[in-house]
Amino acid sequence: DAKTTQPPSMDCAEGRAANLPCNHSTISGNEYVYWYRQIHSQGPQYIIHGLKNNETNEMASLIITEDRKSSTLILPHATLRDTAVYYCIVRVLVSYDKVIFGPGTSLSVIP
Amino acid sequence: DTGVSQDPRHKITKRGQNVTFRCDPISEHNRLYWYRQTLGQGPEFLTYFQNEAQLEKSRLLSDRFSAERPKGSFSTLEIQRTEQGDSAMYLCASSLRLNSPLHFGNGTRLTVT
Repeated sequence: DAKTTQPPSMDCAEGRAANLPCNHSTISGNEYVYWYRQIHSQGPQYIIHGLKNNETNEMASLIITEDRKSSTLILPHATLRDTAVYYCIVRVLVSYDKVIFGPGTSLSVIP
Repeated sequence: DTGVSQDPRHKITKRGQNVTFRCDPISEHNRLYWYRQTLGQGPEFLTYFQNEAQLEKSRLLSDRFSAERPKGSFSTLEIQRTEQGDSAMYLCASSLRLNSPLHFGNGTRLTVT
């Protein structure tokens, strides 16, 4: 079963920051937080991941709380092309690596 | 990096027929994953390979489903005696090593009539 909870849907105005929350209150010390997104009719696309520290790349920023029980994905300037389903996943890196997806958050970027 | 390739993109079959899908991972990626996705749901894990070894298999993968990765490169997923409930998008992903992101193909959409 997925170990994360996310709101089922969110709206964001174009050009504004989109802040997508994720709760992972049962996360273990060796579990990473990963974010993917899926645009209609395509496979999921990797966005970013982190363990304890905040991370930033060309697509997004990931803010993980100090207790690691929740995180926020930030798209700094949302565009219409960011409309997608966003999945937050916790991933334990053992030799048998089973990545489990939940239902995700459907983000609609509105003009 | 040509991406993960899946073939065919669409498959329509009649109930009771067998179907086989192919996945070509990114070159040198030794980990390969299969997922199934139905409308409005997140991808559901089916199985996972490290090289040619099938290391994990979901309970969703009934005895009608079989996956192989014979030489640790491409993989096939076969469904025997298809049922209407098998209609879904079948996604393949690969990763380079344990802490590498998964790279997904665009899936094979199966419709069982």
